[in-house]
Amino acid sequence: NAGVMQNPRHLVRRRGQEARLRCSPMKGHSHVYWYRQLPEEGLKFMVYLQKENIIDESGMPKERFSAEFPKEGPSILRIQQVVRGDSAAYFCASSTDRINQPQHFGDGTRLSIL
Amino acid sequence: AQKITQTQPGMFVQEKEAVTLDCTYDTSDPSYGLFWYKQPSSGEMIFLIYQGSYDQQNATEGRYSLNFQKARKSANLVISASQLGDSAMYFCAMREGGTEYGNKLVFGAGTILRVKS
Repeated sequence: NAGVMQNPRHLVRRRGQEARLRCSPMKGHSHVYWYRQLPEEGLKFMVYLQKENIIDESGMPKERFSAEFPKEGPSILRIQQVVRGDSAAYFCASSTDRINQPQHFGDGTRLSIL
Repeated sequence: AQKITQTQPGMFVQEKEAVTLDCTYDTSDPSYGLFWYKQPSSGEMIFLIYQGSYDQQNATEGRYSLNFQKARKSANLVISASQLGDSAMYFCAMREGGTEYGNKLVFGAGTILRVKS
């Protein structure tokens, strides 16, 4: 499968635990984006990364959330000390560095907080 | 102010008929791109069609076409010959600015389309 791979597809955590969401971009894509979709809403931008660099994190909550895209391996979105309000679908997308190319999305991770 | 506005929360269309999903946008940047994505009930996001602000012609992809009216700042999606499998949520999205901003997207609230047999 040459598409954007996200895992896990579903993740259940209890309040206070940590959630780690993984994303492997499409082959040849060097840009990764994370979005959050709350129930019945559109997607909201969280963070934009290139290899080893955070380019734009203007949509990330200031606390508990972090993201990385290491030189080797997938991009990771990490949520520490999860709360009920973190329950959402988290989508990763990737693109090339060419302007106006579409972002291709993974199938998302559905995070549920008990 | 909303960057992307989709005024139709829900739409119905008869199978085999055409349907237009509305999208208006707000930007002062001369360089931008407009995208439409489909989200079926299974949840994945499927890219449908793209229109660049400098493109002279309206984009088309199979049964999808984009009615781009730059002066009115609208980018409506037209689906011809609707099929039952077109029932889904449809999102309009915009990218602003040059490459220094990357390609982050701003999404509208979406329109749920239901195709009737």
